[in-house]
Amino acid sequence: GQQLNQSPQSMFIQEGEDVSMNCTSSSIFNTWLWYKQDPGEGPVLLIALYKAGELTSNGRLTAQFGITRKDSFLNISASIPSDVGIYFCAGPPYNNNDMRFGAGTRLTVKP
Amino acid sequence: DGGITQSPKYLFRKEGQNVTLSCEQNLNHDAMYWYRQDPGQGLRLIYYSQIVNDFQKGDIAEGYSVSREKKESFPLTVTSAQKNPTAFYLCASSVGPNQPQHFGDGTRLSIL
Repeated sequence: GQQLNQSPQSMFIQEGEDVSMNCTSSSIFNTWLWYKQDPGEGPVLLIALYKAGELTSNGRLTAQFGITRKDSFLNISASIPSDVGIYFCAGPPYNNNDMRFGAGTRLTVKP
Repeated sequence: DGGITQSPKYLFRKEGQNVTLSCEQNLNHDAMYWYRQDPGQGLRLIYYSQIVNDFQKGDIAEGYSVSREKKESFPLTVTSAQKNPTAFYLCASSVGPNQPQHFGDGTRLSIL
């Protein structure tokens, strides 16, 4: 099936720094979703994007739906310790009902 | 509060035993899903159901079974045929097949 390539796999940053991660695919997507998973819990939806070029914010988080519809980006500004976790991108490829998930970016924030 | 409830949080299985993981949602969602998550990996789809009394195999259905007798409930049985069942199991639901999924807090299954 269509694969989502998420990078980087892991990040170690200092508190206060900004973070960028991205997700790419060889297929076109109609929707891009970004989730965060805390240890031992289920993923929580952070941002949903529905239109190419769309830029949406949720507090310190900003996500963009790439113009080519084959990628998406998530930025976190001024990171804090509670940002620690795994961030997943997800979405249904065009003309396909299967939701695909990236392998995740594991974020560690040092105080 | 609306949400998805998975139980139990932790489950232990003996060799040759079947175990059932519970998933209940009160979001009035038509679609429900089961995923398996192994350490350091993403989510792999086991089974999904788009409507009551209907379900489809996902990418790794072997050794698992499900039922969808009620809209609110989508239990997953891990059978003895699943030789490597130790994992974190996540249940999710959505309004429809292409809509954002909402997850429960997971069940961690271990082998005794």
